[in-house]
Formats: sequence, structure tokens, C-alpha cells
Amino acid sequence: AQSVSQHNHHVILSEAASLELGCNYSYGGTVNLFWYVQYPGQHLQLLLKYFSGDPLVKGIKGFEAEFIKSKFSFNLRKPSVQWSDTAEYFCAVKGFTGGGNKLTFGTGTQLKVEL
Amino acid sequence: GAGVSQSPSNKVTEKGKDVELRCDPISGHTALYWYRQSLGQGLEFLIYFQGNSAPDKSGLPSDRFSAERTGGSVSTLTIQRTQQEDSAVYLCASSPDRVSYEQYFGPGTRLTVT
Repeated sequence: AQSVSQHNHHVILSEAASLELGCNYSYGGTVNLFWYVQYPGQHLQLLLKYFSGDPLVKGIKGFEAEFIKSKFSFNLRKPSVQWSDTAEYFCAVKGFTGGGNKLTFGTGTQLKVEL
Repeated sequence: GAGVSQSPSNKVTEKGKDVELRCDPISGHTALYWYRQSLGQGLEFLIYFQGNSAPDKSGLPSDRFSAERTGGSVSTLTIQRTQQEDSAVYLCASSPDRVSYEQYFGPGTRLTVT
């Protein structure tokens, strides 16, 4: 069965600091990878996704993520965070062999950006 | 355009009662998913509907949980004989097609079982 690990459960940063949130998945086949974000009081929304092609994908609000197949990783990055980036971030994977039709989510990383 | 809507937004029920949670997907989306979000546990897949195909029920935690999707649109998640461990936020998502797997989430229903 596929699984997703997000190693950082809580991250606190000051504005303008750089961000990297780790995401590792266990699945040997072709994957689609996603980062979703949930801002306080709002519902989950897609931040970025990787289906194929360039392993460095860019999403909304200056976020990017790099798919490293050899490391089974899809880490989320932002060079300079803002207070408005305070939210919970979820990594998700969809496998194409034996994974069914669902997304498997990580447990989330709570990011707090301080002024 | 209109997003995924869910009702009720909050539901408090007594242990042992049945509850029904409703999801209205984005018009035209053929795939519909239910997830459960518990504190500190991320999102747990429950069930998936795709068009007229048989639903993928592999994530339902017990036979107290069931879901249906009428007319390929609205879906209802039913929890019978609720238990305290059923307390969670129940999220619905829809997706435009089988390939993209980009899911659009609703605001969720917060269920509290007392």
C-alpha cells in the first residue's frame, strides 16, 4: 500500500525566511504528486501538482516543488515566506498500480509565519 | 463558478444515532470522493465514485459507514449508530475526469458525537 510521510509536523518561521517542507512517499510505480494547502478557516485547495515532465513544478503564490524519483520525494519550497502563508500543508500521492482510485495524504505540516 | 458544497457545516449528535452528510459536487465533475480528517491524522480516504462504475469502498472503516451517489451528482454519506471515534471533519471532493486526479474540496462537515 502506498503511504506518504511528512516529517515536519509544525514549522515556525519568520517572514522572509526560506521554506522547505519534506514529503516522502512509498510507491514503486508511476505517481502523480500534489501539495494542498488549508488556510485558517478555509477549505483545502491545490497548491501545485506533478504529473510528468519537468520534475520542478511551480504553483501558486511563489511555491514550487521538486520531484526526485530516486529519493521518492516531493519537497515543497518557497524562497521567502509571508505571514499570509500561515496554513496547513498536505502532500498527497496517487499511484497507478494497485493504489486504487484515491489520493493518499500525509498527516500535514502546520506552518506558522511570524511577523 | 460554484464549488463543492457540503451540508450541514456542523453536526452534533448523540452516540448511537444515525447521521447523513451531503455533498454537492461541481457540476459536470464525474468523480466524487469522501475523506475524513481527524486531528493530527491527515486525510483518510473513505469512498470514491466515478461515473456509473461501482464505487471504491476500500476506505470505509466499518459497515456502519455507507455512501451513495444519486444521478451521478449529489452524494450522501451515512453513518449508522455513531460512535465517539467518528467525530471528525468529513470532506467531499470532486474531480472533472478520471485522468487529471486534481480534486476540488468542499468546506467539510464537522461531526461531533457526544
